[in-house]
Amino acid sequence: DAKTTQPTSMDCAEGRAANLPCNHSTISGNEYVYWYRQIHSQGPQYIIHGLKNNETNEMASLIITEDRKSSTLILPHATLRDTAVYYCIVRARISNFGNEKLTFGTGTRLTIIP
Amino acid sequence: NAGVTQTPKFQVLKTGQSMTLQCAQDMNHEYMSWYRQDPGMGLRLIHYSVGAGITDQGEVPNGYNVSRSTTEDFPLRLLSAAPSQTSVYFCASYGETQYFGPGTRLLVL
Repeated sequence: DAKTTQPTSMDCAEGRAANLPCNHSTISGNEYVYWYRQIHSQGPQYIIHGLKNNETNEMASLIITEDRKSSTLILPHATLRDTAVYYCIVRARISNFGNEKLTFGTGTRLTIIP
Repeated sequence: NAGVTQTPKFQVLKTGQSMTLQCAQDMNHEYMSWYRQDPGMGLRLIHYSVGAGITDQGEVPNGYNVSRSTTEDFPLRLLSAAPSQTSVYFCASYGETQYFGPGTRLLVL
């Protein structure tokens, strides 16, 4: 799986949009970009994923650059409950079992400031 | 639909003891995996399974055994616990996305 690079930490004011960047310059054509978050040692929670088009769901938006070497997760109106560690990983879809050795990096610790 | 469940929530072991961490899912997912998370670090893959009877090693498999006799269950065994295995353990199952269990906190003295 492609490696990802994320900032160690970020702050965002409550009510503002939180933009979390991720670099994945070695991403392969069949690899998706997935975002998860982990709130205070709970199990990681799925947020969103995409291949090359921008995606939006009830939690967030995902913007993937045209060359697919980087992406940005957007939380449109951050709340205090969005304080968490956010992980960006890239991998092939699970149906391509192959050699699925997934590794979560250290992620970005997002702190929402009141 | 309970999702992914893990037991126990917390366990203290002495060095050399053995134990099994239980994981079960009720979503009929073929793919399941075990991760460990050490303080301040990301998750590292221990073992995974792509279906009943099929398992394979992840990034940090040493000291752990797994088996997959049914689709629903994927237990993780520590044969001889070591202090280096003190960690939080997460089980996950995969459908369109990954679903993680609540974790088991293990302390090895």
